[in-house]
Amino acid sequence: EPEVTQTPSHQVTQMGQEVILRCVPISNHLYFYWYRQILGQKVEFLVSFYNNEISEKSEIFDDQFSVERPDGSNFTLKIRSTKLEDSAMYFCASSQTAYTEAFFGQGTRLTVV
Amino acid sequence: AQTVTQSQPEMSVQEAETVTLSCTYDTSESDYYLFWYKQPPSRQMILVIRQEAYKQQNATENRFSVNFQKAAKSFSLKISDSQLGDAAMYFCALRVNTGTASKLTFGTGTRLQVTL
Repeated sequence: EPEVTQTPSHQVTQMGQEVILRCVPISNHLYFYWYRQILGQKVEFLVSFYNNEISEKSEIFDDQFSVERPDGSNFTLKIRSTKLEDSAMYFCASSQTAYTEAFFGQGTRLTVV
Repeated sequence: AQTVTQSQPEMSVQEAETVTLSCTYDTSESDYYLFWYKQPPSRQMILVIRQEAYKQQNATENRFSVNFQKAAKSFSLKISDSQLGDAAMYFCALRVNTGTASKLTFGTGTRLQVTL
């Protein structure tokens, strides 16, 4: 069964460093998303992406964040200068249409020290 | 703006029994989807069931079914014949058809414990 894959599963980084989280969406999906979940809290939307551009972004998704689809398969989230409060589980998701179910990857646990 | 409310932070059910998790939502849109996602200790988000707002019939997936009350903006999840593997966080989520890649709005989750 097709699935969304994320790498790495866990990343530890020092405050101020740049990190890139990688995702391979399901191959015939056209819509891509990043969400995050701080431990013990609910899942929060960061950004949606379609046709090589951002469709919507939340107030969390400030200038420190960027997304890219560098080739036909990967979808990346970059955090330029990490802060302690960026520590969270980051989920990539994809969907075939704009509003039907989204399928999630297994997540990348980011720890900023 | 859309909101999703799950008023039960924790629920417990005995194995083989039935449990219902509550969810209410608010949106001014008429075209939307509702979902329940399961998050086991591994923290992966797994789709359990979905409901299209335009469908009156309640969705079912094996032991999982929903009670969708559109006028009341209520979307509860019923788990029948509960199994130990059902123990997880359950999130209710809403997605509105905006014509673009619309976001999922999640509730705060309900932690389900399954006891022997």
